[in-house]
Amino acid sequence: AQTVTQSQPEMSVQEAETVTLSCTYDTSESDYYLFWYKQPPSRQMILVIRQEAYKQQNATENRFSVNFQKAAKSFSLKISDSQLGDAAMYFCAYYTGNQFYFGTGTSLTVIP
Amino acid sequence: SQTIHQWPATLVQPVGSPLSLECTVEGTSNPNLYWYRQAAGRGLQLLFYSVGIGQISSEVPQNLSASRPQDRQFILSSKKLLLSDSGFYLCAWSPSFTNEQFFGPGTRLTVL
Repeated sequence: AQTVTQSQPEMSVQEAETVTLSCTYDTSESDYYLFWYKQPPSRQMILVIRQEAYKQQNATENRFSVNFQKAAKSFSLKISDSQLGDAAMYFCAYYTGNQFYFGTGTSLTVIP
Repeated sequence: SQTIHQWPATLVQPVGSPLSLECTVEGTSNPNLYWYRQAAGRGLQLLFYSVGIGQISSEVPQNLSASRPQDRQFILSSKKLLLSDSGFYLCAWSPSFTNEQFFGPGTRLTVL
């Protein structure tokens, strides 16, 4: 069975600093996709970044980047130059076979 | 452009009452549709997904059911609500040819 684990229920970062959110997953599949979603207080789920498992190059989206370690089944999210608007719940997700599996989330606080 | 709607936005229901939550998608055809529940302080739990009209896959056995009477309509129902059904319900869609998932605004259900 596919599982996604986020071991940090809460994290905090000083504004303008860098923070890394951890995610590990368990799968026997070779073809899959990984995502990070952001859920601000409005509860609207917003896609932050996506990584295809067959790509070795780590995905980046402006201040957001991932460290994808396929052998270790690790998919961490790095947020650089943190901004107050980055405060939210962050969910790691795994996709295969029309199904998405989500972690339990990491609540990120940004300290001014 | 595609949009996804959910209603109602909030709902308060007594234990034992029926439930009907509706989700509709505009601007696309033959989407994959999903229902998730997010309990307080927890991640997203996949409840049902559908790859076509009348095709429903259930991930978690419970007193909830789902139906897809039309291509872009997905309904979550219950004949008798339980206290444990309280939570935030999210509908999502993804194009059948990709894996990117788009979420609706959600319904907050409180069962008293």
